[in-house]
Amino acid sequence: EDQVTQSPEALRLQEGESSSLNCSYTVSGLRGLFWYRQDPGKGPEFLFTLYSAGEEKEKERLKATLTKKESFLHITAPKPEDSATYLCAVPYGGTSYGKLTFGQGTILTVHP
Amino acid sequence: GAVVSQHPSWVICKSGTSVKIECRSLDFQATTMFWYRQFPKQSLMLMATSNEGSKATYEQGVEKDKFLINHASLTLSTLTVTSAHPEDSSFYICSARPTSGDQETQYFGPGTRLLVL
Repeated sequence: EDQVTQSPEALRLQEGESSSLNCSYTVSGLRGLFWYRQDPGKGPEFLFTLYSAGEEKEKERLKATLTKKESFLHITAPKPEDSATYLCAVPYGGTSYGKLTFGQGTILTVHP
Repeated sequence: GAVVSQHPSWVICKSGTSVKIECRSLDFQATTMFWYRQFPKQSLMLMATSNEGSKATYEQGVEKDKFLINHASLTLSTLTVTSAHPEDSSFYICSARPTSGDQETQYFGPGTRLLVL
């Protein structure tokens, strides 16, 4: 059964304190892993798509990496505006049917 | 680019009435759109897949007669909650996959909050 597990459930950081969020997955034939940011009361905002182990992508203070079993979202010198829920997702069965299985998310709070 | 809109952003209705929610891809075409539901403090749960010009496919446990989906064009899908009841109150979010370019990534709308009294 395909599973996506995110850890930690919640993370509190001081402004400028770098850290990483984890997304572990068990799917056969991975066809993409997606990272989204969701603010309260809003839809998920697309951040990154990773397709193969070893791939890395960056956007401002965020950097996503992918291995064969997990993905990390690294946050460098976070600011309070980075506070949000970060979601990772993979397609059902790892194949390109479009349906996504989401992890439960990591709630990030960055204190000034 | 890759903007998805939803309308309305929130709606309050009486029990027994029907509510229609629109999902539009503003700057790209989407053969496939998806409808999700999200309860407080929970992650997104896929309800159905909407394909332009064909019938929607529903996830197990989702009543197709209660949640009517129409995907009439490459930029518009609608979800109608029929005979809504308080237990249908939730946050409904749509997403769209581009027909060209990066066809794997889904782009999400801002969501519609439904409250059934």
